[in-house]
Amino acid sequence: NAGVMQNPRHLVRRRGQEARLRCSPMKGHSHVYWYRQLPEEGLKFMVYLQKENIIDESGMPKERFSAEFPKEGPSILRIQQVVRGDSAAYFCASSAGTGVPETQYFGPGTRLLVL
Amino acid sequence: GESVGLHLPTLSVQEGDNSIINCAYSNSASDYFIWYKQESGKGPQFIIDIRSNMDKRQGQRVTVLLNKTVKHLSLQIAATQPGDSAVYFCAANPNSGYALNFGKGTSLLVTP
Repeated sequence: NAGVMQNPRHLVRRRGQEARLRCSPMKGHSHVYWYRQLPEEGLKFMVYLQKENIIDESGMPKERFSAEFPKEGPSILRIQQVVRGDSAAYFCASSAGTGVPETQYFGPGTRLLVL
Repeated sequence: GESVGLHLPTLSVQEGDNSIINCAYSNSASDYFIWYKQESGKGPQFIIDIRSNMDKRQGQRVTVLLNKTVKHLSLQIAATQPGDSAVYFCAANPNSGYALNFGKGTSLLVTP
């Protein structure tokens, strides 16, 4: 009964480097969501994906950020040329894709620190 | 848009007492609400949800109340235990969409 898996749990990058965050949804789930959480804040929606499709990326910054959910393998959130303001906890959630609305189940998060 | 906020940033209760955490939302079209619990260093954990066609829903030791008239929901925790200490978030799903809008959270501290 594995839940949503995320790795790495902690990631340190220097300014200008790339960060890749991975998310494996709960077994049987085909929908993935990415959220960002700043310290002392609630989670902010970034992007919603189904296999090989980006459904809603309205919360994603227009530059440097991209997400994918390939047919095989985990979903990837990619941040290019990271800046200090990208330091945050990034959470992935998954749902079964059986209807709207759906309960989203969250992973443990990746804590990104940009030096 | 949707604005979701909790009424109190921190709440301290004694072990065994009942806890009530409140949340207000702004979008009357919101039709699905979820309460999550987040412990330090962990991801949000689903507690209970409620759809807008309901006023009340009960789980194990938890009850969620929804008042659509004043756009308010609350989470009640019965017989609060030290393991309940965490940050609690309400989230709203507007127009049966995909994105959840989260409030800032209420930190619940249970004292012995």
